Amino acid sequence: EPEVTQTPSHQVTQMGQEVILRCVPISNHLYFYWYRQILGQKVEFLVSFYNNEISEKSEIFDDQFSVERPDGSNFTLKIRSTKLEDSAMYFCASSDPGQNNEAFFGQGTRLTVV
Amino acid sequence: RKEVEQDPGPFNVPEGATVAFNCTYSNSASQSFFWYRQDCRKEPKLLMSVYSSGNEDGRFTAQLNRASQYISLLIRDSKLSDSATYLCVVRSNFGNEKLTFGTGTRLTIIP
Repeated sequence: EPEVTQTPSHQVTQMGQEVILRCVPISNHLYFYWYRQILGQKVEFLVSFYNNEISEKSEIFDDQFSVERPDGSNFTLKIRSTKLEDSAMYFCASSDPGQNNEAFFGQGTRLTVV
Repeated sequence: RKEVEQDPGPFNVPEGATVAFNCTYSNSASQSFFWYRQDCRKEPKLLMSVYSSGNEDGRFTAQLNRASQYISLLIRDSKLSDSATYLCVVRSNFGNEKLTFGTGTRLTIIP
């Protein structure tokens, strides 16, 4: 069964450093998303991406964050100048209108900022 | 008011029992509704979509009341493997817009 894959599974970084979280969406999907979940809290939407541009972003997704689809398969989330409060689980998801718009989630990247 | 509100639980239920979860949403323009399941430190996985007429998938039944902006999930004959957090999720259209998650209801099935 096709799946969304994310790397790394766990990333530890020092405060102030930049991190890049990587995702490979399901190959024929057209819509891509990043969500995050701070430990013990709800899953929160960050950004959606379609046709090589951001289609929607939340208040959380400020200038510290950026997304990119550098090639035909990868979808990345860059977090600049990380803060302690960026520590969370980051989930990538993808969806396709032909599959009832179901969003498939990757297994997540646990980001720990120290 | 929270966009999607759920009782956080925890619900501790004996194996074989029936358990019901409720959820309310604030955006009356919401069009698509789902229940997701999340195991500890794992990704959310779609359990079932919720349709206006109500729908059933095996031991799981979902109901939607648009007038009250209320969604429910019923689990019959609960099994140990049903232990998880159940997330009520709403989307504002039928397309591919963002999902809005509730905080989830933690369920533990007791042997």
